[in-house]
Amino acid sequence: QVQLVESGGGLVKPGGSLSLSCVASGFAFTDYYMSWIRQAPGQGLEWISYISSNGHTIYYSDSVKGRFTISRDNAKSSLYLQMVSLRAEDTAVYYCAFASIGYCRSAGCEGAPDYWGQGTLVTVSS
Amino acid sequence: EIVLTQSPGTLSLSPGERATLSCRASQSVSSTFLAWYQQKPGQAPRLLISGASRRAAGIPDRFSGSASGTDFTLTISRLEPEDFAVYYCQQNGGSFWTFGQGTKVEVK
Repeated sequence: QVQLVESGGGLVKPGGSLSLSCVASGFAFTDYYMSWIRQAPGQGLEWISYISSNGHTIYYSDSVKGRFTISRDNAKSSLYLQMVSLRAEDTAVYYCAFASIGYCRSAGCEGAPDYWGQGTLVTVSS
Repeated sequence: EIVLTQSPGTLSLSPGERATLSCRASQSVSSTFLAWYQQKPGQAPRLLISGASRRAAGIPDRFSGSASGTDFTLTISRLEPEDFAVYYCQQNGGSFWTFGQGTKVEVK
C-alpha cells in the first residue's frame, strides 16, 4: 500500500535551519509530482511547494520562496525540504503529499493530492 | 493569488441533518481543479472530492460537490457521527495552490 513517511522535524531557533525528508513506498515514485503542505497549530492548511517527477518544474508559495528548497531523489524514492532562515511563523506540521491523478507543465502542476503522510512537526522557538 | 473564502466558519448540526458548505473563489477557477478535504483532529487531510464533483475512492455517496461560476458547494446529505470534522476547499490548478480557511462541522 502507499506510504509516505516524513521525518526531520524538531525544535529549532529562529534563524536556524532544518531539513525534512519524506520516504515513499507502494507506488512508482518516479511517475508522480510531490508536494509539501503545512499546518500551523490550530490553523488551516497552507501549500508551500511542489516538484515535478523529473524535478524540472518547481514552485513555492510567497511565504517560503527564497528560504525553502524542495528536491527529490528518485533512486531513493525520497522527497526533501531544506529550510533556512526559519521564523516563528514557520512552526507547523509539515505534510508531504501527492496526486495519483495529476500532471505538470512548465506553468505548474495540477491535480488534488489524495495521498498524504502523517506529518512531522517543526517548532521554531528560542 | 486566488483567495478561497469558506462559509460558514462553523456549522452546528445534528446527526442525520444535511450540511451545506460553501467555498467562493476571488477569481475564476476551473472546476477541474477544485477539491474538498476532510480533516479530523490529529489526522492528515483526506481527499473527498476532486474536479468539484468527483468523489475520491471509497468516499460515501452522501458526500457531493457542485459548482456555479466561482461558487463551489460541498453537501453532506445526512450527517453520520464520523462526519463531524473540519472541511477545506482547495484550488490546485496553475502555478500556485491555495486552500480555504476551513469550515468546522460540529455536533449541535
